[in-house]
Amino acid sequence: EPEVTQTPSHQVTQMGQEVILRCVPISNHLYFYWYRQILGQKVEFLVSFYNNEISEKSEIFDDQFSVERPDGSNFTLKIRSTKLEDSAMYFCASSEENFYGYTFGSGTRLTVV
Amino acid sequence: GQQVMQIPQYQHVQEGEDFTTYCNSSTTLSNIQWYKQRPGGHPVFLIQLVKSGEVKKQKRLTFQFGEAKKNSSLHITATQTTDVGTYFCAGGRGATNKLIFGTGTLLAVQP
Repeated sequence: EPEVTQTPSHQVTQMGQEVILRCVPISNHLYFYWYRQILGQKVEFLVSFYNNEISEKSEIFDDQFSVERPDGSNFTLKIRSTKLEDSAMYFCASSEENFYGYTFGSGTRLTVV
Repeated sequence: GQQVMQIPQYQHVQEGEDFTTYCNSSTTLSNIQWYKQRPGGHPVFLIQLVKSGEVKKQKRLTFQFGEAKKNSSLHITATQTTDVGTYFCAGGRGATNKLIFGTGTLLAVQP
C-alpha cells in the first residue's frame, strides 16, 4: 500500500536554529498538508498546499514557517528560528483529491532544547 | 474560530462491551472524516461522511452524520483489544479540504 514518508523520525535542535522537515507524499496525490500534535493533544492544522502554492494556513503558521515542493516529489516544512513551544510531532499528509481521506506519514518528533 | 469537540475524552471498557464517541462542531460542516491513532502512531483514515443524516458501517463500526451536519458519532459494537487507540473526528468546510480535528477520545479495552 502506498505510504507517505517522513524524515527524520526524530530531530533535536537548539532554540533559535532552523529545521527542515521532509516528506514524500504519495505520487498521484494532489493535495498536501502539514499538521502538528503536541504530546497527548489534538492534531492541529498548519497549512495546506495545492498546485504549487499554499491554499490555506492557520494562525500557527506565521512568518517563521514556510513550505516548499522543490522537485515535484518532496514536500518540506521549514521553521526558521525554532522556539521551545515548537516541540511537537509534525505530520505530513496527502490526499488524492479534494474532500478525500488523508494519508498521514509516521511523523517527525521535533524537540527544541 | 471553528471548534470540534469530542466526548468523552477517555473511555475504559471491558472487552466485548460497546463504545460510542460523540463529535460536535461549532459550525456546519461540508463533510466529516474519522481517524484512528494507535498509541505512538499516526492518524489512519477510517471513513468519510458527506450527506446529512448519513449512516455508514464498517464491520463492527457504525458512523453517523447528524441531520444539521454539525455532529457525528462513532459506535463500536463488542469492542476488542485491537480497537485500542484515540479516535478523532475531523470536520471539513469550504472549498479547501482543510480538516479541523476534534479533541479525540482515547479508548482503552481491558481483556
